Amino acid sequence: AQSVTQLDSQVPVFEEAPVELRCNYSSSVSVYLFWYVQYPNQGLQLLLKYLSGSTLVKGINGFEAEFNKSQTSFHLRKPSVHISDTAEYFCAVRRIQGAQKLVFGQGTRLTINP
Amino acid sequence: DAGVIQSPRHEVTEMGQEVTLRCKPISGHNSLFWYRQTMMRGLELLIYFNNNVPIDDSGMPEDRFSAKMPNASFSTLKIQPSEPRDSAVYFCASSPGQGVQSMNTEAFFGQGTRLTVV
Repeated sequence: AQSVTQLDSQVPVFEEAPVELRCNYSSSVSVYLFWYVQYPNQGLQLLLKYLSGSTLVKGINGFEAEFNKSQTSFHLRKPSVHISDTAEYFCAVRRIQGAQKLVFGQGTRLTINP
Repeated sequence: DAGVIQSPRHEVTEMGQEVTLRCKPISGHNSLFWYRQTMMRGLELLIYFNNNVPIDDSGMPEDRFSAKMPNASFSTLKIQPSEPRDSAVYFCASSPGQGVQSMNTEAFFGQGTRLTVV
């Protein structure tokens, strides 16, 4: 079975500051990794994904994430946040072979203060 | 493509009533998922289908919940009878499905149905 732990339930930062949202996962098999964003009263939208290759992946809205296999981590970063980045962010994993289901972390609420 | 379409967007019902949530996946996708989101439990997978067949329903909370996928373009999640603790946002998602490693691996989510049981 797979599990995902997002280490911070809430992260407040000031506008234009850098931010890192932490994600660790556990799995006995190889997985794909994802970050989704949920804006208020909206569905989930894919930010970025790691399938293979370069461990640094870039996504939409200036976000990037780094896959670290030895630490089983997939932390999300942005060098300078904007008010519009206020949202909930979910890390997720999915087995490469077999079951298609996404297993999500509990989410991190990112609040940007002016 | 219009994306994953869920209806209704909001549903308020009285305890004991039957509730049916509907989902139209993206055309060509052959995996469909139902998730429930609450403050306490986050995003929980209730059930998922592959090629219209239920593959894993271990997340369905109890017998009051049932899900069907009669064809590739439609799925329902039914709660009968509904209870206040079923109040949540229910999401449907679809993905292109299994196969060799594909770049299209993510799930695409609908806007959700916010269910309130009073």
